[in-house]
Amino acid sequence: AQSVTQLDSHVSVSEGTPVLLRCNYSSSYSPSLFWYVQHPNKGLQLLLKYTSAATLVKGINGFEAEFKKSETSFHLTKPSAHMSDAAEYFCVVSLKTSYDKVIFGPGTSLSVIP
Amino acid sequence: ETGVTQSPTHLIKTRGQQVTLRCSSQSGHNTVSWYQQALGQGPQFIFQYYREEENGRGNFPPRFSGLQFPNYSSELNVNALELDDSALYLCASSSTADTQYFGPGTRLTVL
Repeated sequence: AQSVTQLDSHVSVSEGTPVLLRCNYSSSYSPSLFWYVQHPNKGLQLLLKYTSAATLVKGINGFEAEFKKSETSFHLTKPSAHMSDAAEYFCVVSLKTSYDKVIFGPGTSLSVIP
Repeated sequence: ETGVTQSPTHLIKTRGQQVTLRCSSQSGHNTVSWYQQALGQGPQFIFQYYREEENGRGNFPPRFSGLQFPNYSSELNVNALELDDSALYLCASSSTADTQYFGPGTRLTVL
């Protein structure tokens, strides 16, 4: 069975310090992996996507994620947090079955302290 | 700007009523997926439509149904509303690639 685990339900960082949001997945197949961000009362915005090309993926707003197959991880990082980064972040696995089977992690709430 | 739009933005219904939510997919996308996001949780997959046919379904009862139209827009219908149906309903569109682009959602409140 496929699943996504986000190891921290809440992360708090100071503005200007690094951000690390952790994600582990379980899949019998080679999945595509995504990070989405959701600001309060908004829809989901795609941050970045991994699809078996380069293992280090660069996304929007300075975020990047590294795919590590041996660790089944896809952690999201940013060198310096900004106040506008405060939001809910979802790690997502997508599998090509008879349809695009998409599984969301439970989410990590990021707070940025001024 | 993803190009996926949803209507209405907010909706209040009472138990037992029926509701229809609408989604216009991004230009060039032929696949639409619907998700339910309860407060404080991640989105849960309801179903997916590809070229007007349902081709995947999550663990939701038959009172959740949908349609996709020739222009690839879509509707989500929920019959016999229950209090637990209160949630943000998200629509996402995609093309043959697997990246889904989400709309802003419809907030449904069932009283």
